[in-house]
Amino acid sequence: EVKLVESGGGLVQPGRSLKLSCAASGFSFNDYWMGWVRQAPGKGLEWIGEINQDSSTINYTPSLKDKFTISRDNAQNTLYLQMSKLGSEDTAIYYCARVSSSYMDYFDYWGQGVMVTVSS
Amino acid sequence: DIQMTQSPPSLSASLGDKVTITCQASQNINKYIAWYQQKPGKAPRQLIRYTSTLVSGTPSRFSGSGSGRDYSFSISNVESEDIASYYCLQYDNLPPYTFGAGTKLELK
Repeated sequence: EVKLVESGGGLVQPGRSLKLSCAASGFSFNDYWMGWVRQAPGKGLEWIGEINQDSSTINYTPSLKDKFTISRDNAQNTLYLQMSKLGSEDTAIYYCARVSSSYMDYFDYWGQGVMVTVSS
Repeated sequence: DIQMTQSPPSLSASLGDKVTITCQASQNINKYIAWYQQKPGKAPRQLIRYTSTLVSGTPSRFSGSGSGRDYSFSISNVESEDIASYYCLQYDNLPPYTFGAGTKLELK
């Protein structure tokens, strides 16, 4: 069974940094692209970015490219999202998701999400 | 970047109704669109990929169609378990990929 479990969320002060983790199991992690999506309270889904199997290609949505860094550790089956210079606009649930191995598909499995609250 | 215009923002339906949600892309996305269902407090769940292919476990009352810039998602015979928000996602060619703004389906 594919399982994605995010962690590392919580309350953080404006201007600080935070690193989220996503532990993957139930599939061969190093065979898949992975990605992050966020959802501000009461709002829609926002694509943050994706990373390929060997971390040689990482794509971001332009507005977050200078604040967020996606990385992975295939030995630990873990995906990361490093967030810096956080502001209130970054308050959201953050989801990690697996990118399907089919070119005709995209996010096929999602984690349950982790809440990040940016506030003083 | 490709923009996705999803409508309507909200929809009110009675049990057994057919409802349709549309997503229009700012350019041709070559059928690379998926549809997701999200219930309150839950992660999104994929229902349809590549415009019209139902993901395993998706009931047959869900369907998708479209081409070029214009796509639609329908639920025939709405059931109470379908009350949720629905999002389209385009994943054509180069990122960034983009979601529609979402449609909240409520019971009339």
